[in-house]
Amino acid sequence: KAGVTQTPRYLIKTRGQQVTLSCSPISGHRSVSWYQQTPGQGLQFLFEYFSETQRNKGNFPGRFSGRQFSNSRSEMNVSTLELGDSALYLCASSLRDSPLYNEQFFGPGTRLTVL
Amino acid sequence: GIQVEQSPPDLILQEGANSTLRCNFSDSVNNLQWFHQNPWGQLINLFYIPSGTKQNGRLSATTVATERYSLLYISSSQTTDSGVYFCAVQTGANNLFFGTGTRLTVIP
Repeated sequence: KAGVTQTPRYLIKTRGQQVTLSCSPISGHRSVSWYQQTPGQGLQFLFEYFSETQRNKGNFPGRFSGRQFSNSRSEMNVSTLELGDSALYLCASSLRDSPLYNEQFFGPGTRLTVL
Repeated sequence: GIQVEQSPPDLILQEGANSTLRCNFSDSVNNLQWFHQNPWGQLINLFYIPSGTKQNGRLSATTVATERYSLLYISSSQTTDSGVYFCAVQTGANNLFFGTGTRLTVIP
């Protein structure tokens, strides 16, 4: 079974631009979560989508948004990029069909550099 | 929110040595996972271990949920074990709270 895939793997943008990142979960997984990793803040949760609905959201400004499609693929968008948005963005997928088992699997990440 | 602390922050080992990484968390959790982050940034699943003990080759993990800690054991370390090890916990919602990681360097 193929793992979680993320595109693009690397991205360079300038301040003020916007960016869209894509994530395809493991086949059969309906939950997709997004995380941001920076040297200063570590790994932080952005949001989770399940069955095309945002179920949970971290403490990030409204410039960070996302969506999920009917095939469970997810995109996240960052508008009006700031230098501090430079980070590794990781996507995770899980089955989320039982509170007793909910292992999350991560993709390779998208490394965003904002100049 | 829940606090997750990992120790030690850095660890340097000679190849072949054993090590123990610790993860303390401040509240009850539903799930706990250990990850190894490779040099390219990918998080590799090591263990899904909300409680009990599991072993996978040279690695094993133990979570004592009632005392709010988990341990990751690495035996006979190899240079390929180098990287950052993260502990992450999950409470009621479906998001993971990560510790700050332990950076392991294995010297040949």
